[in-house]
Amino acid sequence: ETGVTQSPTHLIKTRGQQVTLRCSSQSGHNTVSWYQQALGQGPQFIFQYYREEENGRGNFPPRFSGLQFPNYSSELNVNALELDDSALYLCASSAVPGQGKGGDTQYFGPGTRLTVL
Amino acid sequence: KQEVTQIPAALSVPEGENLVLNCSFTDSAIYNLQWFRQDPGKGLTSLLLIQSSQREQTSGRLNASLDKSSGRSTLYIAASQPGDSATYLCARGGAAGNKLTFGGGTRVLVKP
Repeated sequence: ETGVTQSPTHLIKTRGQQVTLRCSSQSGHNTVSWYQQALGQGPQFIFQYYREEENGRGNFPPRFSGLQFPNYSSELNVNALELDDSALYLCASSAVPGQGKGGDTQYFGPGTRLTVL
Repeated sequence: KQEVTQIPAALSVPEGENLVLNCSFTDSAIYNLQWFRQDPGKGLTSLLLIQSSQREQTSGRLNASLDKSSGRSTLYIAASQPGDSATYLCARGGAAGNKLTFGGGTRVLVKP
């Protein structure tokens, strides 16, 4: 059973550019959530995808968008990058929401460190 | 507004001492409470998940309790080891399987 993987590991962009981050969910999981973690803070929920549809969104502007593919992998796209977008971006996968008995446990990938200059 | 707070922000203990980490949340309509460990610059490792119907969960040296009425969860780590040094985060699960709301974390240093 493979865990959650993310690519790339590190990324440096300049203000105004666009970036795409990728995530492969853990085997058997069809739900993917994205979080942004600024240095020294807890992660903040960006959005969640379940069966290729957005299933909840946090307080992030529309320039943060996402996709989920039929194999349940996912992309996070950020347009018009700002300096404050510099953070660790975490992807988490889980089984069907609401299954209980551990089905809600979210398993996190290693993250992508984005630096915006 | 749903908020999750972890106090203290940092903690230093000698090896062998028991660790007690606190987490408080403002909304008692909690779905579940999850504890994570994060090593510097790394992702999150799930430690324990407590469903709203449960009072505690145990795994090895770790025990987590949940008191919805007081809005608190506590993570106990028995007989701490230097390898337990990390940041510990708690997260409140809202609607079924939906977003996690995280606390700011407690950074733990276990001194040999």
